[in-house]
Amino acid sequence: EAGVAQSPRYKIIEKRQSVAFWCNPISGHATLYWYQQILGQGPKLLIQFQNNGVVDDSQLPKDRFSAERLKGVDSTLKIQPAKLEDSAVYLCASSPGGLVEKLFFGSGTQLSVL
Amino acid sequence: GESVGLHLPTLSVQEGDNSIINCAYSNSASDYFIWYKQESGKGPQFIIDIRSNMDKRQGQRVTVLLNKTVKHLSLQIAATQPGDSAVYFCAEEAAGNKLTFGGGTRVLVKP
Repeated sequence: EAGVAQSPRYKIIEKRQSVAFWCNPISGHATLYWYQQILGQGPKLLIQFQNNGVVDDSQLPKDRFSAERLKGVDSTLKIQPAKLEDSAVYLCASSPGGLVEKLFFGSGTQLSVL
Repeated sequence: GESVGLHLPTLSVQEGDNSIINCAYSNSASDYFIWYKQESGKGPQFIIDIRSNMDKRQGQRVTVLLNKTVKHLSLQIAATQPGDSAVYFCAEEAAGNKLTFGGGTRVLVKP
C-alpha cells in the first residue's frame, strides 16, 4: 500500500515570498490533515478536511495560510506571504473516516524562510 | 542565540537496556492516547495506543501505562535496540477526533 506522498521535500524561500505544498493521501482515505511541526516540538494541527470540506481550520492563520482539497483527494497548502516564524516541517496525514488510530503521516516538507 | 524549541529532553540508553519515556497530558476529558515514533526526516509513526478505560497495554517490546489520576502516560521499550533511536511523542484525543501532541523525547541508543 502506497503511503502519504508529499512534495517538495525541501523548500527555501525569502520572507514575504509565497510557497505551496502538495499532498496525495492514501487511496480511499476520506480525511486529510495538515500539521505544522516547528523544530523540537510536536506537530500542531492546521486544518482538517473530510472529503473536500473543511472540518476544522481553527488554528490556521488565515491571513497568510490557505488550503484546498478541491476533488476530495489531493490537497495543497499555501503560505503567502511567508514569515520567518513559518520555518517548520509541514506534515500531511490521512485517515479513513477521521479515525485517528489509523492516521498515517507523510514525510513532510521542510520549509526554511530566510 | 539558543532557541528553547531546539532542546528536546533526551534519554540516553545502553543497547539492550529498557527505556522509559514519560508524558504528562493536559486534558482530563481525553479518552484515547497514542505514542508515536519519529525518525529523522520522516513523519510520526504509530507505535501503540491505549484507551482511558485501561491502565496498561502491551505490544511487541513496548508497553504503555496510563495513570488518569495524575494525567500521566509512559512508554516502556524492552531491550532497546539501535533502531529505536528516534524522537517519541505522546498524543491525546479529546472530542471530535482531534489529536493534540505533547513535546517529544529524544532516545539515543548507545552501542
